Amino acid sequence: GQSLEQPSEVTAVEGAIVQINCTYQTSGFYGLSWYQQHDGGAPTFLSYNALDGLEETGRFSSFLSRSDSYGYLLLQELQMKDSASYFCVPRGSGGYQKVTFGTGTKLQVIP
Amino acid sequence: EAGVTQSPTHLIKTRGQQVTLRCSPISGHTSVYWYQQALGLGLQFLLWYDEGEERNRGNFPPRFSGRQFPNYSSELNVNALELEDSALYLCASSLDGTRYTGELFFGEGSRLTVL
Repeated sequence: GQSLEQPSEVTAVEGAIVQINCTYQTSGFYGLSWYQQHDGGAPTFLSYNALDGLEETGRFSSFLSRSDSYGYLLLQELQMKDSASYFCVPRGSGGYQKVTFGTGTKLQVIP
Repeated sequence: EAGVTQSPTHLIKTRGQQVTLRCSPISGHTSVYWYQQALGLGLQFLLWYDEGEERNRGNFPPRFSGRQFPNYSSELNVNALELEDSALYLCASSLDGTRYTGELFFGEGSRLTVL
């Protein structure tokens, strides 16, 4: 089966660093994606990790440990506009497995 | 290049009615995904179409159905509407359902209100 765990809410201060953790279970595994969704908007793609390690894209970095079925999204130099929901999305291998977004993590950035 | 387009953007129905939502994927994308997002909640996987076939289905009753056309556009049909069907229905597309490229492209959604 498939399972997914993320914290439901995180609050952080503008300018700080925040880490959003994700643990997952899938049947086979291709990689882990992260998406951002502002209230009322559509989800947008942030990053994809297929291999272990850290991928950096500007202020955002994403980490994957395949052996631990664990990943995290790191947001640096937080800005008010980063207030949004963040979803980790594991992709299972072997056919058309469900693409599960789950409930995500709601990040609130405060002044 | 045009993104994923959905129609209608907003609609209001009453209990028991039927609704059809439409989605046009990005040109060249063969996979279309449908998600339901109730207010303040996460994305619930509804349906996945690829190359005209239904490939997977979420835990929704049979009154939720759909299809994919030869041009890869898709429809989501919901029969016998219930109050709890009120939600944002999001469609996404990707280049190839089986060889994962890492990114789903979402439309802006169709917001359905059931009274």
